[in-house]
This record gives sequence, structure tokens and C-alpha cells, in this order.
Amino acid sequence: GDSVTQMEGPVTLSEEAFLTINCTYTATGYPSLFWYVQYPGEGLQLLLKATKADDKGSNKGFEATYRKETTSFHLEKGSVQVSDSAVYFCALNHYKLSFGAGTTVTVRA
Amino acid sequence: SQTIHQWPATLVQPVGSPLSLECTVEGTSNPNLYWYRQAAGRGLQLLFYSVGIGQISSEVPQNLSASRPQDRQFILSSKKLLLSDSGFYLCAWIGNQGNYGYTFGSGTRLTVV
Repeated sequence: GDSVTQMEGPVTLSEEAFLTINCTYTATGYPSLFWYVQYPGEGLQLLLKATKADDKGSNKGFEATYRKETTSFHLEKGSVQVSDSAVYFCALNHYKLSFGAGTTVTVRA
Repeated sequence: SQTIHQWPATLVQPVGSPLSLECTVEGTSNPNLYWYRQAAGRGLQLLFYSVGIGQISSEVPQNLSASRPQDRQFILSSKKLLLSDSGFYLCAWIGNQGNYGYTFGSGTRLTVV
């Protein structure tokens, strides 16, 4: 069945550091891929998405490129801020939404 | 506009008590609706989904049940809560974000004591 594997955390960074969270998936066909973010005490928000190979999703300085050849959708941000501290979930949609386990990111001032 | 409402936001219930969490959607018709659970320190697990009134699919065997009495209403229930039912419950629907994006409610944090 469909599955998503994402880098385990927690990840602790200093402000302005570069962030990468790896995400790979297993699915038949061509799923849509997503990154969701959960800020402390809140629900999930869609951060970015990509619907076909080589698409790049971007939002709030975050980027992720749909790589079909490596079945990956790694999340990157060049310079993180304290406000980026959250749990990040990679997900794929192929008839239903399947999530990775989540990666907790803490950014220190 | 399309919105999703979920309540209550927090709930503390004793073991063995019943549960009813409600989710409603506005601004759309015949949405696909989902219940997810996030246990402490863990990822999201799909519990139930519904593609229409009275149509419920269960993803994992558990102590919970779901019902969809109206087109835009999705209810998560239990007759007798267990300690292991504690977690963060999220309702979601496949919204009009194009390309199958999901919209999530704000969640209910359930603590069974």
C-alpha cells in the first residue's frame, strides 16, 4: 500500500540555519504530494503541494520538488526563523491522504 | 467560503464514559470527510472516512465508531472510552484547493483519565 517515510526528529537548529527534512514515498501511479505544518497547540495547515513530477511547491520560504525518479519530496528552507518551530508532516494523496510520522523542528534564537 | 468546524477543542473524560466529537463543513456539498488521530509523539493515523451520508469506511479496528447523519456532518463516537483513546483528533475534508488538498479542523485534544 501507499506509505510515506520521513526523517525522524527532533531537529534543533539556530536561527538563519538551513533546514532539510527528507521525505520518500511508496505508491502506485502518480500521487499528489504535500507538506503540512502543525504549530504548537494547533491543527494542521497545508504548507505546500506538488501534483506531478518535477513540480516545485513553495510557500513561506519553504520549497519541495516532486522527484519521481527518487520517489522523494524533501522540504527545504534556506534561513529558518524561531517562528518556524513546528511539526512538519509529509503526505501523499492517492485516493486518501497518507502521512509520514512527522518531524519536530525547534529553532533557537 | 468553505470552512470546517470541529468541537470541542479539549475534552477530559473518565475511562468507560461515552464520547461524541462533531465536525461540520460549510460552503460545500457532498464532501469527502475524514477523521484522523494523532497520538502523543506520533504521526497521524486515518481512522474513518466517508464519501456520503451513511457511508463510513474504517481504516483500523478500534474502540471508536463514526457516523455521517447529514451531508456536512461527521461524528466520531465511542460507547466506552479506553485510556489508549487519548490523543489529538482531527477532522478533515477534501477542500476546493485544487489538486486534492485537504483542509483540517482545529482539532480536539482528548485526555482519558
